[in-house]
Amino acid sequence: EDKVVQSPLSLVVHEGDTVTLNCSYEVTNFRSLLWYKQEKKAPTFLFMLTSSGIEKKSGRLSSILDKKELFSILNITATQTGDSAVYLCAVVQGGSEKLVFGKGTKLTVNP
Amino acid sequence: DGGITQSPKYLFRKEGQNVTLSCEQNLNHDAMYWYRQDPGQGLRLIYYSQIVNDFQKGDIAEGYSVSREKKESFPLTVTSAQKNPTAFYLCASNPTFRDRDQPQHFGDGTRLSIL
Repeated sequence: EDKVVQSPLSLVVHEGDTVTLNCSYEVTNFRSLLWYKQEKKAPTFLFMLTSSGIEKKSGRLSSILDKKELFSILNITATQTGDSAVYLCAVVQGGSEKLVFGKGTKLTVNP
Repeated sequence: DGGITQSPKYLFRKEGQNVTLSCEQNLNHDAMYWYRQDPGQGLRLIYYSQIVNDFQKGDIAEGYSVSREKKESFPLTVTSAQKNPTAFYLCASNPTFRDRDQPQHFGDGTRLSIL
C-alpha cells in the first residue's frame, strides 16, 4: 500500500527557533515530492523535489530529498509566528499522476 | 486574477439529500482534482479529470459523482450514498496531466456539514 508518513505530527516552538519536519514515503512509481503550507484554507505550494541531494531554498525555508532512503526534510530557520500552519508532504505517483499525501505536521510558533 | 474558485465556502446537507460543490478555474488548466480532508488527516483523492468529458475515480470515490463538461468547471456531487460527508473539500488543478514541472494549485475549499 502506498503511504507517506510525516513526523512529528505536532510541534510547538518559540520564535527564532529552527525546525526540521520529516517526510518518509513508500510509493510505487515515484515521480516527485511536494511540500505545501496550509493555514486556514487552501494549501499553498512551497517546493517540488525530483532529484536527490539538491537543496531547494526560499528565504528561511529549505528542503532536500533522499531517493535512496525515501525521505525528505523541510527546514525552517529563525521561525516567526507567521510560520504557524500545517505543513503537508505529498508524493506524485507517475502513471496515475495522483498525489499521495501525508497527514501533515502542525507547527505552532509562539512569540 | 487567475485562480481556482470554490463555492460555497460552507454547506449544510440534510439526511438523504444530494449536494453539489462548485469548482471553477480560469487558469486554462487541463487537469482538475477533488480531495477530501478530515481533521488530522491528509488529503484523499476523490475524483480527477485529465481532459474535458473524461474523469477517473480516485481512492475514495464511493458516494460521490463528478462531471467535466467544460474545461473551466469540475463540480462534485455528494450523494445520499455518502454516509459520512462531513469534511473539508478541496479542488485543485494543474496545466497538463503529465507536466512534471507544475504542481497542483488549490482552491480555498468548501466545508460541508450534516444538519
